[in-house]
Amino acid sequence: SQQGEEDPQALSIQEGENATMNCSYKTSINNLQWYRQNSGRGLVHLILIRSNEREKHSGRLRVTLDTSKKSSSLLITASRAADTASYFCAGGSRLTFGEGTQLTVNP
Amino acid sequence: GAGVSQSPRYKVAKRGQDVALRCDPISGHVSLFWYQQALGQGPEFLTYFQNEAQLDKSGLPSDRFFAERPEGSVSTLKIQRTQQEDSAVYLCASSALQVPLYEQYFGPGTRLTVT
Repeated sequence: SQQGEEDPQALSIQEGENATMNCSYKTSINNLQWYRQNSGRGLVHLILIRSNEREKHSGRLRVTLDTSKKSSSLLITASRAADTASYFCAGGSRLTFGEGTQLTVNP
Repeated sequence: GAGVSQSPRYKVAKRGQDVALRCDPISGHVSLFWYQQALGQGPEFLTYFQNEAQLDKSGLPSDRFFAERPEGSVSTLKIQRTQQEDSAVYLCASSALQVPLYEQYFGPGTRLTVT
């Protein structure tokens, strides 16, 4: 069973635009992580936000967490073609993944 | 430094054959995980080791699946009498310390196709 559900399932934007992806999860978590997966580099950890944090930044990434709504969002600013990938949220003691958002950034 | 490696990268098996998938975690990483990823889906947890101890195998889909990590480093996932529904990418990940606080480093995966 999936812990997280990402929304939207697919997102297509132009280079330079911002991309926002949302994740809802089912059970209580200690932290929530975002991963990126593309055919070239496999599954790569992007950022981890703890349950007592509300927002976290890393470079062009901004993650928010709302534990009362059991939801998180990932914002990628000034997107690049190289950001094209599937993005997953994951959490829970067994790091349960959602089904992912497929992001396409058009040059 | 070296990341997580997996072998083989691709495996084609006839239905009913046994397969063994290998994972070499990052040196010194205590925790090791196996995931199964079907096409278009996120990875699904299979099992978790802390050193040589298999602490959680609740995600293994049937008793045909078996994993071991006898010396606390290299791990092998074995699938007996493979079925077509076993076709997937099998991902291995390692982590420096205990879950759930730390990021996991993933290998490239083994793509298993059962014909």
